[in-house]
Amino acid sequence: QVQLVESGGGLVKPGGSLRLSCAASGFTFKDYYMSWIRQAPGKGLEWLSYINGGGSTIFSADSVKGRFTTSRDNTKNSLHLQMSSLRAEDTAVYYCARYNWNDEMLDYWGQGVLVTVSS
Amino acid sequence: EIVLTQSPGTLSLSPGERATLSCRASQSVRTIYFAWYQQKPGQAPRVLIYGTSNRAPGIPVRFSGSGSGTDFTLTITRLEPEDFAVYYCQQYYSSQWTFGQGTKVEIK
Repeated sequence: QVQLVESGGGLVKPGGSLRLSCAASGFTFKDYYMSWIRQAPGKGLEWLSYINGGGSTIFSADSVKGRFTTSRDNTKNSLHLQMSSLRAEDTAVYYCARYNWNDEMLDYWGQGVLVTVSS
Repeated sequence: EIVLTQSPGTLSLSPGERATLSCRASQSVRTIYFAWYQQKPGQAPRVLIYGTSNRAPGIPVRFSGSGSGTDFTLTITRLEPEDFAVYYCQQYYSSQWTFGQGTKVEIK
């Protein structure tokens, strides 16, 4: 069965960096676009980025462009989000999700990982 | 960026009632690039509707989606206790995907 498991979250100081990972299993990882979405405490969903199967096409939200970098390693079935210059407003649960390009939907989501930016 | 505005913010209804949720886009969205998600407290979202009107696998028939252009609707014909949750619309039409701010369906 499809599984997505995020890791790498935690407490980081403002201005710091953090790298999130998403381990994928149960499907042919390289055949799917993947996406990052976050949710600040008590708030709605915010799309952050998506990356195509080969890793050559990446689109990011303007709110994180230049600070967050999305990448993938198809040899390890993993997706990554490198976050830098973190701010208090980046505090959120971060989800990775699989994009089903055939049906145009985010059909599987991880359980999420909490990132807290605080001094 | 395509802004999605959901209304109402909160819908207070009783089990068995009909729920109608709206999502308006700031510019036209092709119907195949529009979806609805449900999120319950402490859980990841799950897709309900894709391509504006197609139910995702395992989604009950009481959930239906419709719309075109800039106006989209999610309808739950008869609310079950497990349907009380937050619902989000999403568009994939532009390279900047966006979500609506959410509609909370709460028990009256």
